[in-house]
Amino acid sequence: DVKVTQSSRYLVKRTGEKVFLECVQDMDHENMFWYRQDPGLGLRLIYFSYDVKMKEKGDIPEGYSVSREKKERFSLILESASTNQTSMYLCASRTNRGMNYGYTFGSGTRLTVV
Amino acid sequence: KQEVTQIPAALSVPEGENLVLNCSFTDSAIYNLQWFRQDPGKGLTSLLLIQSSQREQTSGRLNASLDKSSGRSTLYIAASQPGDSATYLCAVFRAHNQGGKLIFGQGTELSVKP
Repeated sequence: DVKVTQSSRYLVKRTGEKVFLECVQDMDHENMFWYRQDPGLGLRLIYFSYDVKMKEKGDIPEGYSVSREKKERFSLILESASTNQTSMYLCASRTNRGMNYGYTFGSGTRLTVV
Repeated sequence: KQEVTQIPAALSVPEGENLVLNCSFTDSAIYNLQWFRQDPGKGLTSLLLIQSSQREQTSGRLNASLDKSSGRSTLYIAASQPGDSATYLCAVFRAHNQGGKLIFGQGTELSVKP
């Protein structure tokens, strides 16, 4: 079964820490995405990548950066964590083979910044 | 700008009922529509994907329809069970930089009472 794996289910970090959220997919997908999900705001796209070493800003990139050194791995980086980055973070991937393929999501990382 | 709306926001039904969840979108220029299920604190699980050229897709007790011209999709759940309790999200996929973008509705929170 195809999988998107997020390395942590729960994380608690302190304000100002540098935080890495890791995502790995085993489907050889070209496109990978990071979303955050907050009550009342739904899912919002932070960053995405359509190829190794490529990245594009989503709707809310401020305070975040990403890294994609290998095709299967896409990392989300919080350079200096703040309490307003407490959220559920969801990683997803998708093939580039055509427009009629769907997204596969990971199980999510619940990040709390204290 | 594409907007996706799901009605109702919450729904509570007794076990065994057939039910319909609604999703509408403002721009009919989509490639596909995907229905997801999300359990509390978990990631998104893909239920059904309907391509823009299709009218419906079925998987077990689930049937999703798509009327692209009117900007509507429905998810029909037959003989509902308590295990169906979750939030159901619809998302449309449309053209965007480097391949596409997934736009989500706010979700319908379903509770099936035994």
